[in-house]
Amino acid sequence: QKEVEQNSGPLSVPEGAIASLNCTYSDRGSQSFFWYRQYSGKSPELIMFIYSNGDKEDGRFTAQLNKASQYVSLLIRDSQPSDSATYLCAVNGAGGFKTIFGAGTRLFVKA
Amino acid sequence: DADVTQTPRNRITKTGKRIMLECSQTKGHDRMYWYRQDPGLGLQLIYYSFDVKDINKGEISDGYSVSRQAQAKFSLSLESAIPNQTALYFCATGGGGIADTQYFGPGTRLTVL
Repeated sequence: QKEVEQNSGPLSVPEGAIASLNCTYSDRGSQSFFWYRQYSGKSPELIMFIYSNGDKEDGRFTAQLNKASQYVSLLIRDSQPSDSATYLCAVNGAGGFKTIFGAGTRLFVKA
Repeated sequence: DADVTQTPRNRITKTGKRIMLECSQTKGHDRMYWYRQDPGLGLQLIYYSFDVKDINKGEISDGYSVSRQAQAKFSLSLESAIPNQTALYFCATGGGGIADTQYFGPGTRLTVL
């Protein structure tokens, strides 16, 4: 079992819709959870992080964390074609020694 | 100027050659990382360093070595390159703590023939 799992996609949504990206992790001691966006040929950049159970909102983005289910998600409201990218889920384990990345979900927003 | 820079940006080399990839940062972070990215596999950690005197192996360190020359510089070497080391390599820095956001360099695309 991979430590951080994501559906590889592609996930295709129409412009203006809500895109929902999901991630599960195996280490129950994980403390911090991150979503990075990576455009094709570019480096990953942070969208947001979350470390408490519940929802965290930042503009059109909402991260949701459920530690009991070992599940973290990212919702993108009012999706735009410019949101088309690969979204990487990352988890920082107990002790904060290193961050484990999922393989990423490709999102395609159709105009 | 970019906070994290990598050189070279692209490199084509032959099997058996020694290659060094360099990374510099101006963010003042203590933590630095080297990752490789292959299609469908996400980012795999090669080595990480939490300060100049601290070097740690990641998931896939075999065939690689690193040097932390200063707080701002972290280089990755392939002593004898092989074709399955063809990949996109990223350097990243982090400030540590619970919100250990990583800041990535632009990447080096390495091809080993």
